[in-house]
Amino acid sequence: DAGVTQSPTHLIKTRGQHVTLRCSPISGHKSVSWYQQVLGQGPQFIFQYYEKEERGRGNFPDRFSARQFPNYSSELNVNALLLGDSALYLCASSLRTGGTDTQYFGPGTRLTVL
Amino acid sequence: AQTVTQSQPEMSVQEAETVTLSCTYDTSENNYYLFWYKQPPSRQMILVIRQEAYKQQNATENRFSVNFQKAAKSFSLKISDSQLGDTAMYFCAFMNYNDYKLSFGAGTTVTVRA
Repeated sequence: DAGVTQSPTHLIKTRGQHVTLRCSPISGHKSVSWYQQVLGQGPQFIFQYYEKEERGRGNFPDRFSARQFPNYSSELNVNALLLGDSALYLCASSLRTGGTDTQYFGPGTRLTVL
Repeated sequence: AQTVTQSQPEMSVQEAETVTLSCTYDTSENNYYLFWYKQPPSRQMILVIRQEAYKQQNATENRFSVNFQKAAKSFSLKISDSQLGDTAMYFCAFMNYNDYKLSFGAGTTVTVRA
């Protein structure tokens, strides 16, 4: 079975631009979470969606938004990019929400903002 | 908010030997989950082992085992018979029982020497 997939692999943008990152969960998984991993640090939680509803949001500005589609894939959108948004963006999927179900991570999208 | 602390930025171990990674966490909750994730240089995050706080028995997965000390809020990972493929960044993570987001430590880079 395919794991979590993310696209694109790498992305280079300039300050002020907008970016959309995409994630396809493992088949059968209904929950998708997004994390930001700045180089040399642990991932920081951005959003979780479960059954197409926002389950939770981390401490990120309103420039960050996300949505989940009927097929449970998800998009993360970031507006008005800043240099500090440069990071690896990780998507994780799980069967449901909560700690009883393990979160499985995708390979990530490396975003560079110039 | 929960905090996860990994006090060892880097560890080096000879192939076939044992290495122990430390992790402490801070929470006022009684029920929660703890995880160790591995992120190899190819960057895909992989679950190594998980522990439910209500279980007193330490979790074991092949060469990986944990020492869970609930009163001390400590959750260390032991890698036995280290292999070159164990070279990676290791993250300790925490999730409250009714929560949905993982809180990660800063990570420990493990290098296995031939």
